[in-house]
Amino acid sequence: GDSVTQMEGPVTLSEEAFLTINCTYTATGYPSLFWYVQYPGEGLQLLLKATKADDKGSNKGFEATYRKETTSFHLEKGSVQVSDSAVYFCALSGGNAGGTSYGKLTFGQGTILTVHP
Amino acid sequence: DAGVTQSPTHLIKTRGQQVTLRCSPKSGHDTVSWYQQALGQGPQFIFQYYEEEERQRGNFPDRFSGHQFPNYSSELNVNALLLGDSALYLCASSLLGLVYSEQYFGPGTRLTVT
Repeated sequence: GDSVTQMEGPVTLSEEAFLTINCTYTATGYPSLFWYVQYPGEGLQLLLKATKADDKGSNKGFEATYRKETTSFHLEKGSVQVSDSAVYFCALSGGNAGGTSYGKLTFGQGTILTVHP
Repeated sequence: DAGVTQSPTHLIKTRGQQVTLRCSPKSGHDTVSWYQQALGQGPQFIFQYYEEEERQRGNFPDRFSGHQFPNYSSELNVNALLLGDSALYLCASSLLGLVYSEQYFGPGTRLTVT
């Protein structure tokens, strides 16, 4: 079945450091890929998405590129801020060749990011 | 726009009891999905409802059941609670169609089973 693997955490960085959180996936068909962020005490918020190979999703300075050849969707940000401290989840929504509506999200285990001033 | 709302925020139950959690989708959305998020883990898909029918189901026992009402709101019911059911239960709404529709998540209901 579908699965998502994220790099082991937590990740601790100083403000303005470069961030990479690795994510690889296993899926049949043509999945869509997502990064969600969860701030303390809150639900999940979609950070960015990519729906086909070579697409780059971007938002709030974060970027991730859908690499079908390496089945990866690594999250990057050039300069993190204290306000970026949160838990980050990589996820996929399984697609199929018929292109019918997508349903469940399969999540990775999450990576805790802490950014110090 | 109120977004996805869930109630209650927190709940404490005893083993063996039954619980009902509620979710109201974002305005304009017709599909509701439920997820279980254990502490320190990623959310796990429980099931999805559309047109008052269960469309997809994850790997959860029959103790977990749901319902969707004509106004698209939804309930998650868990019977014969176990300690392992303690988790954050997240509801997500979306719009069903041929193109992927982003799922919007509610803040969750924190269930503690003692």
